[in-house]
Amino acid sequence: DVKVTQSSRYLVKRTGEKVFLECVQDMDHENMFWYRQDPGLGLRLIYFSYDVKMKEKGDIPEGYSVSREKKERFSLILESASTNQTSMYLCATISLGGSNTGELFFGEGSRLTVL
Amino acid sequence: GENVEQHPSTLSVQEGDSAVIKCTYSDSASNYFPWYKQELGKRPQLIIDIRSNVGEKKDQRIAVTLNKTAKHFSLHITETQPEDSAVYFCAASSSGGGADGLTFGKGTHLIIQP
Repeated sequence: DVKVTQSSRYLVKRTGEKVFLECVQDMDHENMFWYRQDPGLGLRLIYFSYDVKMKEKGDIPEGYSVSREKKERFSLILESASTNQTSMYLCATISLGGSNTGELFFGEGSRLTVL
Repeated sequence: GENVEQHPSTLSVQEGDSAVIKCTYSDSASNYFPWYKQELGKRPQLIIDIRSNVGEKKDQRIAVTLNKTAKHFSLHITETQPEDSAVYFCAASSSGGGADGLTFGKGTHLIIQP
């Protein structure tokens, strides 16, 4: 089974703090994603990466950056957290071969509260 | 970019009845349409998907239909059961199966009444 692990399930931070959300996958997938999930808004793509040191903006990249130094690890960074970044953050990888091509595998999510 | 609209936002059905969730998309280049189910407190999981070269796909009690001309696709669940209660998300992608990420609808909260 694909395992996508997010290091923090719950975080509480103060406005202006720098926040790191870590994600590790064990399936050697090239593509990794960060989504944000808010009630009534669904899942929105923040950033994705298709290779080490490569990153692409998604639909809502403002206020975020990412880092992919190793294939298995994809980090989301909030340089200066704001209250409107309070949300559930979901990391995902994708299978691009075999019978389950296109399937996203999500982590359990990191619920961030910014006070 | 792609825009996916999903309706209804909440759907309540009696156990044993059918449920239908509908989505429309805007980018005619989209060619991959998955559906994800998210149970309370859990991560979203793929339940069925369809590609643009077919019009319908079935997997036991769930089916998805695609109308490329009208740019809409639907999820059908027959003989609903309590374990079908969840939030369902449709999604679309034009990047060869989601390699560049999926655009999701806003979700439908399906409630199965006993």
